Parts: sequence; C-alpha cells; structure tokens
Amino acid sequence: GQSLEQPSEVTAVEGAIVQINCTYQTSGFYGLSWYQQHDGGAPTFLSYNALDGLEETGRFSSFLSRSDSYGYLLLQELQMKDSASYFCAPGGGGKLIFGQGTELSVKP
Amino acid sequence: DTGVSQDPRHKITKRGQNVTFRCDPISEHNRLYWYRQTLGQGPEFLTYFQNEAQLEKSRLLSDRFSAERPKGSFSTLEIQRTEQGDSAMYLCASSPRTSVNTGELFFGEGSRLTVL
Repeated sequence: GQSLEQPSEVTAVEGAIVQINCTYQTSGFYGLSWYQQHDGGAPTFLSYNALDGLEETGRFSSFLSRSDSYGYLLLQELQMKDSASYFCAPGGGGKLIFGQGTELSVKP
Repeated sequence: DTGVSQDPRHKITKRGQNVTFRCDPISEHNRLYWYRQTLGQGPEFLTYFQNEAQLEKSRLLSDRFSAERPKGSFSTLEIQRTEQGDSAMYLCASSPRTSVNTGELFFGEGSRLTVL
C-alpha cells in the first residue's frame, strides 16, 4: 500500500530554522517533491530530490534518504510569508501522491 | 499569462445535477493531471493524461467521474449525479514529460465545487 506521514502543524518564529519531516511508503518511487500552498492558493513547487542527499534552493533545502524512505524540508531565515501548508509528494509512474500536509505558522 | 487556467472558478449546484470543469494546460506540456482537495487535506490524485491518452485513473474515482482530453490540449472533468461528498476544490496541473526527472507540476487555481 501507500502511506505518507508528516507533522500536521509546526510553529516557529521569524528568523528561525524549521525542519518538516516526511516518511513515505509508495510503489515505483522515483523521487520526492515538496510543495507550498498558501490559503486559497494553488500548490507551488519548491524542491525535488531524486538521489540521496541535500538539495539547496535559496532559503529552502530538501533532503532524501531512499534507504530510509525519509526526507525533510528545511526552511531557514523564516519570514512571515512562509506561513503556509507544506506537502511532501513522492512520485512514481508519472504521478505525485500528496501527504496531508504540514501547516507552518511563523510568529513575529 | 501562460499558466494553467481552469473554468469555472466556482460552481454551486444541487445534488443530482451534472457538472463539467475545463482545464487549459501550459501549451508545451503533454501531461495533464486532475486532483481533488478538501479542506485540511492534501491534493488527492484522480487521473492523468499523456497527450490524449488517459494513463491512470484512481481506484477511488467512482463511475460518476469521467475525464477527457480529446486533442491532447485542454481537458474536461465531468461529474454526473453530484453528491454532497463531491464538494471540493478540483485542481488541474500540467507538466512536460521530463517532470518524471524534476517532480514539478504546474497547478491551476482550481475549480471549487459546492453541492447543496
């Protein structure tokens, strides 16, 4: 079967660093994507890992361990505008499967 | 604007009626996806196309749902005999074939369905 686990909520303060973990079990795994979605908005792509290790894109980094079926999204220098839902989405066979998401609240 | 566009943005209907949503993907993208999202949940995969071929359909999708992409460009999602449980945001996304290597889908703003 398929399963995804992410924390449902995370709270942090401006300027801090936060890590959102994701564990997955899917068939035909190709890689792990991360998406951001603000209230009322469309999901937008943040990052993708096909291989083990860390990918860095500005303030955001994403990590993957295929052997552990585990990844995380690291957000640095948090800003108020980072308050949103974050989804990990393992991909395989042409489609992405989204988790329930982590709601990040950034406080002043 | 060359993004993914969806129409209508909002639809209110009575239970038992049929509704149809349209999605126009980014023009160079040969893959098109439909997802459904309810409040507090992540997007749930419904189906996807590569060009005009429907390659996969979720087992969760009942026979009341049908999607087409007749010319490999725009797509329609029809829901027949709507039920209150169909109330959700219906999201369309598109991607080039190379998305298998990038994991990137481009989402539209969605069509919100309310079934009374």
